[in-house]
Amino acid sequence: NAGVTQTPKFQVLKTGQSMTLQCAQDMNHNSMYWYRQDPGMGLRLIYYSASEGTTDKGEVPNGYNVSRLNKREFSLRLESAAPSQTSVYFCASSEWAVAYEAFFGQGTRLTVV
Amino acid sequence: RKEVEQDPGPFNVPEGATVAFNCTYSNSASQSFFWYRQDCRKEPKLLMSVYSSGNEDGRFTAQLNRASQYISLLIRDSKLSDSATYLCVVNFKTGNQFYFGTGTSLTVIP
Repeated sequence: NAGVTQTPKFQVLKTGQSMTLQCAQDMNHNSMYWYRQDPGMGLRLIYYSASEGTTDKGEVPNGYNVSRLNKREFSLRLESAAPSQTSVYFCASSEWAVAYEAFFGQGTRLTVV
Repeated sequence: RKEVEQDPGPFNVPEGATVAFNCTYSNSASQSFFWYRQDCRKEPKLLMSVYSSGNEDGRFTAQLNRASQYISLLIRDSKLSDSATYLCVVNFKTGNQFYFGTGTSLTVIP
């Protein structure tokens, strides 16, 4: 079972460059999420999509945009990368119901120089 | 104030020891509670859900105290393979958002 698939796994960007992180899930989940993980900060929610057709800001949305392309896919875009966006990015998905867990992709390690 | 607070540790314990992790959450409207495990440079994976009545899965026991807004995880008879970071996770039904603690690092020493 593929579960949640993220691409790319690694990326190095120069300051000011743009890129899109792709995420797809094959579990027919309604909700999808983008998190970033930094040392000492834990996982912080960037954006989420509770269901197809909706997106909302999380704790740290500045500098990012998202697109819920369809039920399977949820992309994260950095329009003008900054060194502060160096982080590990995780996509996750979950069913829309109480007590359902979130499933994570393998992560994207992004370095902005 | 963070939604979920955890003691970051690190906890270094010998094999066979019992270790307990604690977590507090700030939003009384929280609906679901979980413990996740994250190995170095890997994605978080569900260890166990936490139910109001408390629940056990082998050597792992999770407890929830809604009145005190407190969650705990107890690991008995620690194994080397238990070495990881343990994340306390709370789900708010509104928007189906998951909030993570910063994680508690555990190293089990031979």
